[in-house]
Amino acid sequence: EADIYQTPRYLVIGTGKKITLECSQTMGHDKMYWYQQDPGMELHLIHYSYGVNSTEKGDLSSESTVSRIRTEHFPLTLESARPSHTSQYLCASTGLGSTGELFFGEGSRLTVL
Amino acid sequence: AQSVTQLGSHVSVSEGALVLLRCNYSSSVPPYLFWYVQYPNQGLQLLLKYTTGATLVKGINGFEAEFKKSETSFHLTKPSAHMSDAAEYFCAVSESGGYQKVTFGTGTKLQVIP
Repeated sequence: EADIYQTPRYLVIGTGKKITLECSQTMGHDKMYWYQQDPGMELHLIHYSYGVNSTEKGDLSSESTVSRIRTEHFPLTLESARPSHTSQYLCASTGLGSTGELFFGEGSRLTVL
Repeated sequence: AQSVTQLGSHVSVSEGALVLLRCNYSSSVPPYLFWYVQYPNQGLQLLLKYTTGATLVKGINGFEAEFKKSETSFHLTKPSAHMSDAAEYFCAVSESGGYQKVTFGTGTKLQVIP
């Protein structure tokens, strides 16, 4: 069973609000990722991190930002939510020397009204 | 650049029938290949993976997949579908080295009919 946790699982919020999606893992993994998932679409990588103080943008441009101050924690922030941000956000991690196998959290489903 | 194509966004099978979910990939280097399963309102869970060695790999819940380099395919099969197999299945490819970018297919939703 993967030890990676996301909160909140579901969030409904009004336009213009600031939101932070939390992601924590207890496996000591260096690499962490945020994916955005819409129905019927592939997962799109929006952010990743190789380790503490390392953050990079992924393939899909996103207005969100991330930080990596601690190995186990990789929060995603939207300063001003808009309806176009409505989606599911999946956090994942993998360890050094892995073959790319990802461990996923259960996801945070964001709805912006 | 790597890519993954999953044929059929929806597949329906009868309970007890063979499950076949198709995946083709492109990669400029020898790939690592994965199948993940996603149940409703949950994250993705690894079903099986191919890295090196034996091309037929077995995973959890009775699933298996065969890496066919000549066909650039990694199709997922299960001899006999169970109601609990109803879920969405994602094929993914990773290239070795560096940050190991993982590219996912668009997913195939499996329906199992009683």
